[in-house]
Parts: sequence; structure tokens; C-alpha cells
Amino acid sequence: AQTVTQSQPEMSVQEAETVTLSCTYDTSENNYYLFWYKQPPSRQMILVIRQEAYKQQNATENRFSVNFQKAAKSFSLKISDSQLGDTAMYFCAFAHGGVGDDKIIFGKGTRLHILP
Amino acid sequence: EAGVAQSPRYKIIEKRQSVAFWCNPISGHATLYWYQQILGQGPKLLIQFQNNGVVDDSQLPKDRFSAERLKGVDSTLKIQPAKLEDSAVYLCASNSWDTQYFGPGTRLTVL
Repeated sequence: AQTVTQSQPEMSVQEAETVTLSCTYDTSENNYYLFWYKQPPSRQMILVIRQEAYKQQNATENRFSVNFQKAAKSFSLKISDSQLGDTAMYFCAFAHGGVGDDKIIFGKGTRLHILP
Repeated sequence: EAGVAQSPRYKIIEKRQSVAFWCNPISGHATLYWYQQILGQGPKLLIQFQNNGVVDDSQLPKDRFSAERLKGVDSTLKIQPAKLEDSAVYLCASNSWDTQYFGPGTRLTVL
């Protein structure tokens, strides 16, 4: 069974600093997708970034980038130049590939505080 | 493009009462999911629909939870009767090419 582990329950950084959130996962599959979702106090789950396992290049979206280490089954999120609006819960998530309609398995989340 | 719509946003009921949640996915999305998110945890899948058929309901407590997706568009999730441990946020999501888009959720409080 696939599992997703986020070892940092809570983190705080100063505004404009860079922060890295850790995530490891376990799967025997070779084709899958990894995601980082952001959930602010409004509860809206927002997709931050997405990585296909077959791609070697790390995904980037503006200030957000990932370090995808397939052999180590590691998928960390780096937020550069952090902003107050980045304060939220961040969930690492895994989805089986193939059809692409499979369920997403979420980690327990990391609560990130950006301090002014 | 309109997002996933859910209603109500909040619901407070007493235990043993019934409650229903509604979800309207993004237009054209064939796959719809209902998740339960207990405070402090990640979302847990309750049920997955492909059009109006159930793909996975292995984690749905079928003695009290039910869900339907008539006509393959809107969906309703029902709890009858509710228990205290059902207090959670219920998230609906729909899928487009391996990426799920979530609605704002319904926060249920069972007293």
C-alpha cells in the first residue's frame, strides 16, 4: 500500500526567507504522480505543484519548486522569498499513474507559519 | 472556469440526526471524489465516482454513509444517523488529467 509521510508537523520562518518542506513516500509502482497542496484557513485545497514520476526534471511554479529524488522516494517542496500569504497547511500527496483517475493519498500535513 | 461548488459551507447537527451535502464538480470532469478531513489530519477518501458509477467506496462506512451521483454530474453525500466522530470537513473534488480540484468543503459539527 502506498503511504505518504511528512515528518515536520509545524514550521515557522521569517518573511522573505526560503523554507523547505519534507515528504517521503512508499510505493512499488513505477508510474505515479506527486503533488503539493496548500490549505489556508479558508479550507480551500489549492494545488501548488505537480510532478510526474517519469520526468527527471524537477517541477517549478514561480516561487515554488520541488526536489524529486525518485530512488530515495523523496519529494520536498521549496518556497523561495516566502510571503505572509504562504501561511497554510501544506499536504504532500501521491496518486497512482496509468488511468489517472485514481484516488490521492495525502500525508498528515505540515503547518507553515510565515512571520512578519 | 467555475470551480467545484459545495453546499452548505457549515452544518451543525445533534448526534443521531441526518445530514446531506451537495457537490457540483467542474463542468466536464467525469471523476468525482468525496473526502473526509478530520481536524489535524489529511483528507481521507470516502468514495470515488466515474460518471455515475462507483469506482472505490472501500473506506465509506456504509452502515451510515451513502452517496449518489445521478446523471453523472452533481453528487450528494448523506450521513444517517450522525455520530460525534463524524465531525469533520467534507471535501468534494473532481478530476482532470491526473489533477484533482477541490471545492471549499463543508464543515460538519455533530453535538
